[in-house]
Amino acid sequence: KQEVTQIPAALSVPEGENLVLNCSFTDSAIYNLQWFRQDPGKGLTSLLLIQSSQREQTSGRLNASLDKSSGRSTLYIAASQPGDSATYLCGLYQGSSNTGKLIFGQGTTLQVKP
Amino acid sequence: NAGVTQTPKFQVLKTGQSMTLQCAQDMNHNSMYWYRQDPGMGLRLIYYSASEGTTDKGEVPNGYNVSRLNKREFSLRLESAAPSQTSVYFCASSDGRRGNTIYFGEGSWLTVV
Repeated sequence: KQEVTQIPAALSVPEGENLVLNCSFTDSAIYNLQWFRQDPGKGLTSLLLIQSSQREQTSGRLNASLDKSSGRSTLYIAASQPGDSATYLCGLYQGSSNTGKLIFGQGTTLQVKP
Repeated sequence: NAGVTQTPKFQVLKTGQSMTLQCAQDMNHNSMYWYRQDPGMGLRLIYYSASEGTTDKGEVPNGYNVSRLNKREFSLRLESAAPSQTSVYFCASSDGRRGNTIYFGEGSWLTVV
């Protein structure tokens, strides 16, 4: 059974710091991986999606990498801002058919202090 | 620009009562999902529908039923609510292909007393 772990569970950093969030998974036979942001009381918003054939994706200050062989993905946030404060979740697509079912890690709650 | 819309946003139920959570998407997506989110447990899939007319169980289906009414709508029913079903419920949709983005609703907060 695929298990997804995100460490640390919570992180507090000063504004301007570069940081890395981690996502590890037990079964390397994944199809794709997606990083989400969740603000308190809200749903999830997709940040980046990495296809299984890719090693990284970038969007603005965010960079996500994928290393299937080591069962690991990282989300790099450059020059963090207070507005980046949220919970970040990674989700893996599983299943052999052409349907997208995601399983999630428990998330990392990030606080960026002004 | 609605995306995925869930109703109600908040609900309090007594043990044994029934209710239906409604979900609709306006993106012409094939696949729809119901997840629940609990502290320390993360998001867990309850049911999903790969396409109109099909539904399948996820990780935690016990105590729930679903209906894919049409391509737009996917409802989740609690027939006899239990305190263990106190949770935040999220509906989501995607075009169904594994490589494509999934879109979430804003969530429904359900408390069973």
